[in-house]
Amino acid sequence: QKEVEQNSGPLSVPEGAIASLNCTYSDRGSQSFFWYRQYSGKSPELIMSIYSNGDKEDGRFTAQLNKASQYVSLLIRDSQPSDSATYLCAVPDYTGANSKLTFGKGITLSVRP
Amino acid sequence: EPEVTQTPSHQVTQMGQEVILRCVPISNHLYFYWYRQILGQKVEFLVSFYNNEISEKSEIFDDQFSVERPDGSNFTLKIRSTKLEDSAMYFCASKDSYYEQYFGPGTRLTVT
Repeated sequence: QKEVEQNSGPLSVPEGAIASLNCTYSDRGSQSFFWYRQYSGKSPELIMSIYSNGDKEDGRFTAQLNKASQYVSLLIRDSQPSDSATYLCAVPDYTGANSKLTFGKGITLSVRP
Repeated sequence: EPEVTQTPSHQVTQMGQEVILRCVPISNHLYFYWYRQILGQKVEFLVSFYNNEISEKSEIFDDQFSVERPDGSNFTLKIRSTKLEDSAMYFCASKDSYYEQYFGPGTRLTVT
């Protein structure tokens, strides 16, 4: 059974700060990684995907992947109150096209105005 | 932008009753999934579906559960005899041949 760990949190940052969210995974062979944002009572919304070691930037979001250390992180620059949500890390169970996702428990972020 | 839709948004049922949750995946997607999330817990996989058959199912997906793609657009999850512990948010997701899964808005199932 694949494991995805998100053990930090909840996280509270002031508006305009950088929020850093971390995730570790158990399977060294994992190839793709996803960050979903989930507002309270809503469904997971895909915000970032990353497949290669290093950084991937999309607007205020940066995903960082380190396969050797088996962690993936999400940085949110210039945090806004609207970023307050739970952020879920998800990893496919295997590299086939049909693989299910295994989710971490999520990190709840609160951005203080 | 295409999106996954689900109906109903909220379903209240009595224990032992059958419920059908409906999903319309994104039109050109090939792979379909059901997940559920009990309040305060992780999103957990139930079943995946491809080429008109189940690809994989979890331990949760026992004989009380079934899935169907009755036509070219709908994808349904049926729970034959609901239990109190089936109360959860149920999410449908779909994907094309790449890795990214897109989730519907969910159905909140309340079993009383």
